[in-house]
Amino acid sequence: AQTVTQSQPEMSVQEAETVTLSCTYDTSENNYYLFWYKQPPSRQMILVIRQEAYKQQNATENRFSVNFQKAAKSFSLKISDSQLGDTAMYFCAFPAGGTSYGKLTFGQGTILTVHP
Amino acid sequence: DAMVIQNPRYQVTQFGKPVTLSCSQTLNHNVMYWYQQKSSQAPKLLFHYYDKDFNNEADTPDNFQSRRPNTSFCFLDIRSPGLGDAAMYLCATSIRQGYFQYFGAGTRLSVL
Repeated sequence: AQTVTQSQPEMSVQEAETVTLSCTYDTSENNYYLFWYKQPPSRQMILVIRQEAYKQQNATENRFSVNFQKAAKSFSLKISDSQLGDTAMYFCAFPAGGTSYGKLTFGQGTILTVHP
Repeated sequence: DAMVIQNPRYQVTQFGKPVTLSCSQTLNHNVMYWYQQKSSQAPKLLFHYYDKDFNNEADTPDNFQSRRPNTSFCFLDIRSPGLGDAAMYLCATSIRQGYFQYFGAGTRLSVL
């Protein structure tokens, strides 16, 4: 079974500081995507960043970057210069069955609170 | 500009009274998904369409059905809502299977 584990149910960080959210997964696939989604309170779920497993270079999107360790099956999200608007629930996800099937397997989520 | 639009944002229904939630997309994506999300939990996939091909998750109750009359629209029908069906329902689209998904803002369903 393909699983995704986020071991931090809640985290908090001070504004302008850096925080890292962890994610581990299990798959027998070799080629797949990994995603981090952000869901602010009562708002739409949006894609934060994506990583293609065959790329060794870690993905970066402005203040968001990942540390992708394929052998360890680890995919952590680093948020630099945290802002109040980063307060949200964050989900790590990847498509079950690699790239050939549409179902996203989600982690349990991490609630991130950014304090002023 | 909203790309995945869900209506209504809030829906209240009575126990056992059928309800339909709608989703439309302006992205022309082939794949559309319906998820159920309960408070502080991960979304749970109910079913998805790849074009007109319907794929039901094994643990989706028979009470839940879906229709996709064309590329742009997809509906979630709950035939006899129970109290346990109160949740946020999310629609998502993807250009192809296995790729990232765009989510709508969701419909929050209350069952009285």
